[in-house]
Amino acid sequence: KAGVTQTPRYLIKTRGQQVTLSCSPISGHRSVSWYQQTPGQGLQFLFEYFSETQRNKGNFPGRFSGRQFSNSRSEMNVSTLELGDSALYLCASSIDGVTGNTIYFGEGSWLTVV
Amino acid sequence: DAKTTQPPSMDCAEGRAANLPCNHSTISGNEYVYWYRQIHSQGPQYIIHGLKNNETNEMASLIITEDRKSSTLILPHATLRDTAVYYCIVRVAGEYGNKLVFGAGTILRVKS
Repeated sequence: KAGVTQTPRYLIKTRGQQVTLSCSPISGHRSVSWYQQTPGQGLQFLFEYFSETQRNKGNFPGRFSGRQFSNSRSEMNVSTLELGDSALYLCASSIDGVTGNTIYFGEGSWLTVV
Repeated sequence: DAKTTQPPSMDCAEGRAANLPCNHSTISGNEYVYWYRQIHSQGPQYIIHGLKNNETNEMASLIITEDRKSSTLILPHATLRDTAVYYCIVRVAGEYGNKLVFGAGTILRVKS
């Protein structure tokens, strides 16, 4: 059974540009969430989608957005990139997001903003 | 936001059991304890979780004290590949949403 797949694995963008990251959850999983990991702030929750609806949102500016498609695949977008957005962006999926169900993470997308 | 306390680092000899403690003194009766680990530059890997009873799987054992205020993750025979950051997380049962609140975790160094 394939795990959580994230693309691209590595990318470099310039300040002011925007970026879109993609996540394919484990087959049958309908809950997808996103996290940002930086050396200074650690792992922080961005948002979570379930059945194409945002269900939870972390404390990030509106430049960070996401969406989920009918096949549960998800994308996140960061507009007007800043140097501080350089981070590892992680996607995680679970069957329905109910506590007690396991959450599985992908390998992440490394974003460098120059 | 993190509701857990872990030592910042620990060392373990290869082949010995690694016992990683976690304090969650404010845990509620419906909160699960989850353990993940993260090897450098990779996504967090699920290890084990439990609510009240001790749990064991192919990777590790989770021992939860009777008052549930602390727990210990046991890697029975640590190898060099177990060197990683280990995160202990509590999560509310019945709460919809895939939100995990990560603390700083414990850096486990397995040495030969």
